[in-house]
Amino acid sequence: GENVEQHPSTLSVQEGDSAVIKCTYSDSASNYFPWYKQELGKRPQLIIDIRSNVGEKKDQRIAVTLNKTAKHFSLHITETQPEDSAVYFCAAPKDSGYALNFGKGTSLLVTP
Amino acid sequence: NAGVMQNPRHLVRRRGQEARLRCSPMKGHSHVYWYRQLPEEGLKFMVYLQKENIIDESGMPKERFSAEFPKEGPSILRIQQVVRGDSAAYFCASSPGRGIAYNEQFFGPGTRLTVL
Repeated sequence: GENVEQHPSTLSVQEGDSAVIKCTYSDSASNYFPWYKQELGKRPQLIIDIRSNVGEKKDQRIAVTLNKTAKHFSLHITETQPEDSAVYFCAAPKDSGYALNFGKGTSLLVTP
Repeated sequence: NAGVMQNPRHLVRRRGQEARLRCSPMKGHSHVYWYRQLPEEGLKFMVYLQKENIIDESGMPKERFSAEFPKEGPSILRIQQVVRGDSAAYFCASSPGRGIAYNEQFFGPGTRLTVL
């Protein structure tokens, strides 16, 4: 099955700095890579995703990059704010199908 | 457009009882997924269903756990004879199954199961 490795497990940044979270996957046929944000006690929320036909996608302060050759993708958050503090999960299709395998999560703390 | 609905939000059961968790997908979504999240851990895939069909149940324990998504009504995740290790948050997600965003999954608020 698909393995998704996520690093780092914790990340602490100062408000205004950038944060980068990286994930690797094993199945070269994977074609869809979403990122979810989960605040304490809440549901995971889809914040951005990328499909394998593009190398980068941006939405305001959030961007995702994809390197298909190296089989890794990254989440970039610029100008971080305290409300960005949460656990972020990357995911990739399980067995190239519809269900997802998730990384173990990155706990991001943005300090004022 | 209401999002994914789950109920109950909190469920307390004693060891040996049955737990029944319900999920109503977003309007227009025909694919349902169940995930389990242990405290301070990631999301683990359990089962993927379409209407009246189990597509992939490879993440679901073979014993005591079952899932269904009937033609009418919500998807049900059923856990028989619960044990303390079943205590977790159970999240349901749904996706459209067709169109450009065919596999974008949106999550419900989860059911937090506590087994005493």
